[in-house]
Amino acid sequence: EIVLTQSPTTTAASPGEKVTITCLASSSVSNMYWYQQKSGASPKLLIYSTSSLASGVPDRFSGSGSGTSYSLTINTMEAEDAATYYCQQWSSNPLTFGSGTKLEIK
Amino acid sequence: EVQLVESGGGLVQPGRSLKLSCAASGFTFSNYYMAWVRQAPKKGLEWVATISTSGSRTYYPDSVKGRFTISRDNAKSSLYLQMNSLKSEDTATYYCARQSSPPGWFAYWGQGTLVTVSS
Repeated sequence: EIVLTQSPTTTAASPGEKVTITCLASSSVSNMYWYQQKSGASPKLLIYSTSSLASGVPDRFSGSGSGTSYSLTINTMEAEDAATYYCQQWSSNPLTFGSGTKLEIK
Repeated sequence: EVQLVESGGGLVQPGRSLKLSCAASGFTFSNYYMAWVRQAPKKGLEWVATISTSGSRTYYPDSVKGRFTISRDNAKSSLYLQMNSLKSEDTATYYCARQSSPPGWFAYWGQGTLVTVSS
């Protein structure tokens, strides 16, 4: 099973600040997907195929990476971006998620 | 507009069974892989099952293999999850999700249905 380790576990950012969340895979994966989950809501797709922005997602979000190291970047933090973020892979079975990064607004 | 509406959750005793349903609308259901993902209270996301467009192929993690069965009815645009031999650790909100084809990411999610396994 591929384990996805996200860092940091929790972080806080001021409006306008740049935020980077990292997802390290225990083995190489070909693609990474990212989701945003706000409190009390269902997860929402942000990034697919490592760097493609899902429909309707603001372009301050971006994804990058390869092999075992991937990242999600929020270029300029906004209050509405406060949420928990998850990475996910299905390059090999079973499909796995990272444990999540909680992002708070300062 | 894509809509996924889960139903069937509730309180069930350990060892008993429960069947979840998901009604899909706003897209051609038979063209997409579908899946169930769960989230235990205050915990992260855990994949539960995926089914191919025709229903001929199913995929499960070891944690539910042999106990859970995913199925679909393309004529009714509906997805199902039959859960048997339920354990307390199956307590979670269960989300129905439309997966990409070929399967990879989860493009759309339902609002979830809560399953509580307790005596």
